[in-house]
Amino acid sequence: EDQVTQSPEALRLQEGESSSLNCSYTVSGLRGLFWYRQDPGKGPEFLFTLYSAGEEKEKERLKATLTKKESFLHITAPKPEDSATYLCAREGSSASKIIFGSGTRLSIRP
Amino acid sequence: DTAVSQTPKYLVTQMGNDKSIKCEQNLGHDTMYWYKQDSKKFLKIMFSYNNKELIINETVPNRFSPKSPDKAHLNLHINSLELGDSAVYFCASSQGSGNFYEQYFGPGTRLTVT
Repeated sequence: EDQVTQSPEALRLQEGESSSLNCSYTVSGLRGLFWYRQDPGKGPEFLFTLYSAGEEKEKERLKATLTKKESFLHITAPKPEDSATYLCAREGSSASKIIFGSGTRLSIRP
Repeated sequence: DTAVSQTPKYLVTQMGNDKSIKCEQNLGHDTMYWYKQDSKKFLKIMFSYNNKELIINETVPNRFSPKSPDKAHLNLHINSLELGDSAVYFCASSQGSGNFYEQYFGPGTRLTVT
């Protein structure tokens, strides 16, 4: 069964302390890998799409990378406004499925 | 300008009732989705419509019926509500189907069934 697992479940960092969030998956086949940000009480906001192993994309303090088995969301020198839940999703083995992980709740202390 | 809007934002109702949630997008997208986010924060896709045609229908009780009157609207009607239906329901839209591309989500509708 296709699965997407995110770790850690929660991460608390000091402002400026860089770290990485992990998204691992068992979905076979070369399909899209997505990262979203979700603030409390709001809908997810699109960040990145990755399709190929080795691909990297950046946006401000965030960089997403992709291997054949996992993706990382690297956050460099985070600020309190980066606090949110970060969701990873993978297109399933059939084109009609998308599978989300349960997210990493990131908290940045000033 | 709101890109994807949902009404109502909160919905509290009793078991056995029938309710509807409305969704509208003004982005000109041709594909719209309904997701359910449970208490553990897992987002699960329920339905997807492309140009008013149902293209994804995941394993969802047939008490849930989506309706797309036009490309900009996708409504969700739920019959005989049960306690387990309590969740946050998100509408989303994107341009293109077959791949999920970049999706724009609405603010969500928190449904509480008592």
